[in-house]
Amino acid sequence: DVKVTQSSRYLVKRTGEKVFLECVQDMDHENMFWYRQDPGLGLRLIYFSYDVKMKEKGDIPEGYSVSREKKERFSLILESASTNQTSMYLCASSSPLLNPGSQPQHFGDGTRLSIL
Amino acid sequence: RKEVEQDPGPFNVPEGATVAFNCTYSNSASQSFFWYRQDCRKEPKLLMSVYSSGNEDGRFTAQLNRASQYISLLIRDSKLSDSATYLCVVRGSGYALNFGKGTSLLVTP
Repeated sequence: DVKVTQSSRYLVKRTGEKVFLECVQDMDHENMFWYRQDPGLGLRLIYFSYDVKMKEKGDIPEGYSVSREKKERFSLILESASTNQTSMYLCASSSPLLNPGSQPQHFGDGTRLSIL
Repeated sequence: RKEVEQDPGPFNVPEGATVAFNCTYSNSASQSFFWYRQDCRKEPKLLMSVYSSGNEDGRFTAQLNRASQYISLLIRDSKLSDSATYLCVVRGSGYALNFGKGTSLLVTP
């Protein structure tokens, strides 16, 4: 069974801090994604990566950066946290080989981040 | 215009009822379609893929109308455990998925 593990379920940080959210997957997936989910706005893609050291901007990359130094790990970085980045952050992974009936993306449990 | 649109609900239905959710998508080149389920404070999980010919999985039936760019999910004989948010998900030619905002379902005794 695919396992996507996010380092923290709950996190509280202060405005201006540099924040690291870590995500690890154990299925050797090439693709990894970071989303944020907010009430009324749904899931929005921040960044994704389709290979080690590769990254692509999603719909809302401003204020974020990412790092993919190893295939299994994809980190989301808030360079200088702000209160509008308080949200639920979800990491996902997938294989580029999409077989019929297979799950297109597997999600981690999520990190509920509060910026004070 | 958002790429994937859903009625947010909430849909409140009694146990045993049949309920249908609809979803429209804007990109006619979209290739794959899915319904995900998300429980409160949990991560989204795949409920079922949606195939062009329509498909059924137990009490759940999904249909796709490419001409109208429309996807539906029908739940028969609703159970209390069906209460969740249902996300319509569309994949284009790339790896990223486009998620609808979700439709909230509450099944009551």
